[in-house]
Amino acid sequence: LAKTTQPISMDSYEGQEVNITCSHNNIATNDYITWYQQFPSQGPRFIIQGYKTKVTNEVASLFIPADRKSSTLSLPRVSLSDTAVYYCLVGDGEGNTGKLIFGQGTTLQVKP
Amino acid sequence: GAVVSQHPSWVICKSGTSVKIECRSLDFQATTMFWYRQFPKQSLMLMATSNEGSKATYEQGVEKDKFLINHASLTLSTLTVTSAHPEDSSFYICSARHGTSRQETQYFGPGTRLLVL
Repeated sequence: LAKTTQPISMDSYEGQEVNITCSHNNIATNDYITWYQQFPSQGPRFIIQGYKTKVTNEVASLFIPADRKSSTLSLPRVSLSDTAVYYCLVGDGEGNTGKLIFGQGTTLQVKP
Repeated sequence: GAVVSQHPSWVICKSGTSVKIECRSLDFQATTMFWYRQFPKQSLMLMATSNEGSKATYEQGVEKDKFLINHASLTLSTLTVTSAHPEDSSFYICSARHGTSRQETQYFGPGTRLLVL
């Protein structure tokens, strides 16, 4: 299973754009990259998923370079409510068992 | 869409009793569900893979006789913590796979807080 590496923590201020980069050097051909957000005492919430290039939805963008060995989650204009732990995971592709192994995640602290 | 629920949201029990936690996919069918546990300030740890109609697959170090998993239908998986002890106190989270054969996404339940006295 591909392992991911993220910064342990990041600080930002309200209104700023936040970019969290994740390294996944051993990503398999069929693996997708998925980002989740988790608040204390809640289950992880799906943010965005992609395979290559750029994916955008109403809450975030995901940038994936051609070699797919890393990815960057971009959160535009964060607010205090975006303070949470963000997890980057790889897997869920065709033929994949679906097992997701969570790393430590990135704790984002948004300050006023 | 793609909503996963868990019941109960929290439970307190005495040491030695068994506790059952339900995980339901509300608006989709899931042949595969997963069970995780999370201790304070730590990441999620995968416990087992629950497969509809077959035996669960447990991760190394997880006692299958202690954590009984039943996936009797395409929308329900249950985790039973048998003879619970204080060290089993944790936050238990399930997830369900949703999507096509080429691309699937896991959606997580809200979690169940277990406290064993």
